[in-house]
Amino acid sequence: NAGVTQTPKFRILKIGQSMTLQCAQDMNHNYMYWYRQDPGMGLKLIYYSVGAGITDKGEVPNGYNVSRSTTEDFPLRLELAAPSQTSVYFCASSLGQASGNEQFFGPGTRLTVL
Amino acid sequence: GQQVMQIPQYQHVQEGEDFTTYCNSSTTLSNIQWYKQRPGGHPVFLIQLVKSGEVKKQKRLTFQFGEAKKNSSLHITATQTTDVGTYFCAGSSNSGYALNFGKGTSLLVTP
Repeated sequence: NAGVTQTPKFRILKIGQSMTLQCAQDMNHNYMYWYRQDPGMGLKLIYYSVGAGITDKGEVPNGYNVSRSTTEDFPLRLELAAPSQTSVYFCASSLGQASGNEQFFGPGTRLTVL
Repeated sequence: GQQVMQIPQYQHVQEGEDFTTYCNSSTTLSNIQWYKQRPGGHPVFLIQLVKSGEVKKQKRLTFQFGEAKKNSSLHITATQTTDVGTYFCAGSSNSGYALNFGKGTSLLVTP
């Protein structure tokens, strides 16, 4: 099993550009999450999904969108990138809801917006 | 909303010294999880605590969950250079689909 994979690993965007961060898992997990990590600030939840076709906002959803058309994939869309979105983005998945289940993290995408 | 506070933010120890990081929640938690993130890496699950007063050990690591289920600690005995990284606690309430992560404690171990 590859676990949780993310692409790309690194990306530099110009202000106002858009991009999609890809996330896939091959563990047949229902729950998937997107976090951003800023230096010294821990992990903040952007969006999460409890199954295909179901998504919900986390703590910091503004400027992002997600979709979950399949169990495996959970892409994160950035529209009109801003410097405040410079961060490391982690995708994670779990078998059941986070309360009570280990989260498996992908390797992350390091995004810089200039 | 629920907040998870973690102290200290940084800790620098000599190899062989002990290390402890503390996690406190503003609300009662249904469980707490601990993760380790190596520099440049991604968080990796260490353990989950569920019961009030629970203590679990993994080799040199000891995890505790407070009686009131509002605080937790991770203690490392005789640190090694391989312990370097950031340790995060993450908690959730009974109604939580997601975890609230603390800001983490970054541990540096010098030989």
